[in-house]
Amino acid sequence: DGGITQSPKYLFRKEGQNVTLSCEQNLNHDAMYWYRQDPGQGLRLIYYSQIVNDFQKGDIAEGYSVSREKKESFPLTVTSAQKNPTAFYLCATSRGRNQPQHFGDGTRLSIL
Amino acid sequence: GENVEQHPSTLSVQEGDSAVIKCTYSDSASNYFPWYKQELGKGPQLIIDIRSNVGEKKDQRIAVTLNKTAKHFSLHITETQPEDSAVYFCAASMQGNEKLTFGTGTRLTIIP
Repeated sequence: DGGITQSPKYLFRKEGQNVTLSCEQNLNHDAMYWYRQDPGQGLRLIYYSQIVNDFQKGDIAEGYSVSREKKESFPLTVTSAQKNPTAFYLCATSRGRNQPQHFGDGTRLSIL
Repeated sequence: GENVEQHPSTLSVQEGDSAVIKCTYSDSASNYFPWYKQELGKGPQLIIDIRSNVGEKKDQRIAVTLNKTAKHFSLHITETQPEDSAVYFCAASMQGNEKLTFGTGTRLTIIP
């Protein structure tokens, strides 16, 4: 989706290192989400935010942190506490509750 | 919490034939059911969605049907084309709930 930009497309992390994935949107959507996708599995929700300066844990928040200082941006930090961080990370946005979610093209994180 | 099961996990159909993918959900309070198409290396793209006050919705060659009593919904693709080859995901959410619960995906291959 051209209105949601995830960067970088590929990211490599060393053991014990924190890394931050970027998600920027120009759709003026209130809600933003982070999902993790593993091979052969559906998407699992990590964190979501409905409004600036507020966010909630999803189903698999352990080892991750987020911030929402601006409406347009919702960065995800994968901390060293996440023991299995290798995955495809997807950011999504929506106008609000129970509204269609639209996805960016993802960041693939690998461990060196 | 909500659980969504999706079948089949892989599906091959001859070009021009129809394809059907089925999902069941566990929570009768779910009322929003989107379908996503994901191409290799890309984020999921919303292709059609349905709400529980509607039994069927069509958009050109794509249709979704919902059976609230049986708690299942299906994606129908008619006159399939090679560009329909992708992984398809179903999902479900409840009114007022931010969380989409995804199925595990169906890899659809269109045989020329």
